[in-house]
Amino acid sequence: DAGVIQSPRHEVTEMGQEVTLRCKPISGHDYLFWYRQTMMRGLELLIYFNNNVPIDDSGMPEDRFSAKMPNASFSTLKIQPSEPRDSAVYFCASSLASPTWEHSYNEQFFGPGTRLTVL
Amino acid sequence: AQKVTQAQTEISVVEKEDVTLDCVYETRDTTYYLFWYKQPPSGELVFLIRRNSFDEQNEISGRYSWNFQKSTSSFNFTITASQVVDSAVYFCALFNNAGNMLTFGGGTRLMVKP
Repeated sequence: DAGVIQSPRHEVTEMGQEVTLRCKPISGHDYLFWYRQTMMRGLELLIYFNNNVPIDDSGMPEDRFSAKMPNASFSTLKIQPSEPRDSAVYFCASSLASPTWEHSYNEQFFGPGTRLTVL
Repeated sequence: AQKVTQAQTEISVVEKEDVTLDCVYETRDTTYYLFWYKQPPSGELVFLIRRNSFDEQNEISGRYSWNFQKSTSSFNFTITASQVVDSAVYFCALFNNAGNMLTFGGGTRLMVKP
């Protein structure tokens, strides 16, 4: 398996531009997570999906951020308009769901991240 | 609410020294999981270990060992005979079973010098 795939790996854009980050989860995984990593705030969960449905988006910083999962193999995180404070590494992760408590958490597999720089 | 605290932001050791990374957590749940992840300079997050709240047995994997103390809400990570390749940022994380939320600590940057 190729693991979680994210694109682009690096993105440099100017303030005010729209940015779209992409993620392909591991095939068969039911959960997809978007995280943001900054020096100031560390790793933060932004939003997660279960079976393509957004479950919790309380970590999304503001309305400029939106995430979609149109199908089981693709998700996007969009920032419009982008601002310099959005500069960070954005990670996507996926995991399986399990029916029993003993395995009710499955390891989240992280993608390599997208390093976003907003000038 | 849950919280993970890694009080050591940066540790520097000389190769072959033992080093312990501290992790203290807060949660109201009785059922939870604890994790350690490694983030090497290349940036990816690498899973190291998972522990559930009902299993307080310490674990050893090669040069790595973990000490889970529920009474003090701590899940410390020790590297024995550290190597330069161990240089990375290490994150402790807590999983809330009810909410499916993974909360990360601030990370500890470990620098192992030759």
